[in-house]
Amino acid sequence: EIVLTQSPGTLSLSPGERATLSCRASQGVSSAYLAWYQQKPGQAPRLLIYGVSNRATGIPDRFSGSGSGTDFTLTISRLEPEDFAVYYCQQYAGSPPVTFGQGTKVEVK
Amino acid sequence: QVQLQESGPGLVKPSETLSLTCTVSGGSISTYYWSWIRQPPGKGLEWIGNIYFSGSTKYNPSLKSRVTLSVDTSKNQFSLKLSSVTAADTAVYYCARGLSGSYWGRFDYWGQGTLVTVSS
Repeated sequence: EIVLTQSPGTLSLSPGERATLSCRASQGVSSAYLAWYQQKPGQAPRLLIYGVSNRATGIPDRFSGSGSGTDFTLTISRLEPEDFAVYYCQQYAGSPPVTFGQGTKVEVK
Repeated sequence: QVQLQESGPGLVKPSETLSLTCTVSGGSISTYYWSWIRQPPGKGLEWIGNIYFSGSTKYNPSLKSRVTLSVDTSKNQFSLKLSSVTAADTAVYYCARGLSGSYWGRFDYWGQGTLVTVSS
């Protein structure tokens, strides 16, 4: 099973600032199978980024993803009030199980 | 617009079987993979398993012995049964759509989630 470790656990930033979230895999993950989700309190997760760097439908371009192999990054260029949430990376490298990172909470400083 | 809606009991007794159904509207259940994912209160996400519209399944090895997934294409529904539940199975249970082919693990539509509590 591929374990995903996200850092930091919590990121305290102000609106307008840049957020950089990290996701490290215990073994190499094909770029096609790495995704990021956003979850707000009381809501289901929402697909943000798939295939490392492709934005899902309706996702603004302030969200971007990068990385390869075992190290991946989600960047939010300028935080908007609605971006404060928990973010999960996820891999589905061909075989079960699908695994998620433990999440990074982006909170208002 | 595709919508998913979970339904089932919100309270299950220990050692009994948890049963949930996800109803898909706004689109066909065919061609896609359909997953169950759970989230214990205040914790992260755990994938339980998925089922293809044809009935083929993939399971999380950690839960495989207790999970049964089924699909009813005539009703555009798929279902989860989790046996021998304990308090550790208390969670919000989500159903989600995975894309076809090798992208079965990319979840583009999710249900709102339903909280299932295991308690006597």
